[in-house]
Amino acid sequence: SQTIHQWPATLVQPVGSPLSLECTVEGTSNPNLYWYRQAAGRGLQLLFYSVGIGQISSEVPQNLSASRPQDRQFILSSKKLLLSDSGFYLCAWRDRGLNTEAFFGQGTRLTVV
Amino acid sequence: GQNIDQPTEMTATEGAIVQINCTYQTSGFNGLFWYQQHAGEAPTFLSYNVLDGLEEKGRFSSFLSRSKGYSYLLLKELQMKDSASYLCVYYASGGSYIPTFGRGTSLIVHP
Repeated sequence: SQTIHQWPATLVQPVGSPLSLECTVEGTSNPNLYWYRQAAGRGLQLLFYSVGIGQISSEVPQNLSASRPQDRQFILSSKKLLLSDSGFYLCAWRDRGLNTEAFFGQGTRLTVV
Repeated sequence: GQNIDQPTEMTATEGAIVQINCTYQTSGFNGLFWYQQHAGEAPTFLSYNVLDGLEEKGRFSSFLSRSKGYSYLLLKELQMKDSASYLCVYYASGGSYIPTFGRGTSLIVHP
């Protein structure tokens, strides 16, 4: 069966510090991968998506970046965090194809102080 | 989520039936999904519609009208644990069919 792992679950970081969130998927190959952010009381905002190794598409210009060094690994990074980067970050995957549902990791609650 | 419209909040009584509506505007429609999200947790998949009509899965049903850009999620025999946010999602076209989420409807179930 397929599983998705996302860590850490919670993170408190000072302004200006770097960030690295990691997400890995097991039990599938060539998944589409996504990073979303959810601010308190808001919907999910798509940050990045990837359809293959090294292929990253950015939806929102910001000080975040993403990388996909391996087929089932997706990393969200920042060189210098801002207060506005606080939020709930969710990694998701889905099989290629038109009508496949997305599966989410547990999420990372990031608080920038 | 700017092309998806759903009510911000709804309340209902335990044991009742509630319908959560969703309207959307998109070209290249590729399916309408519903997810449930409890506070502080990740969304989980509930149901999806590709063709017009009603899909039933136990206490949950979802309806789609592609010509009207309209869907609803119907929850029957409400339980307290159904208190959650319900997210309407469509897949945007463009080659990779990106899940695009609405802001969600917060459902509060009262005893």
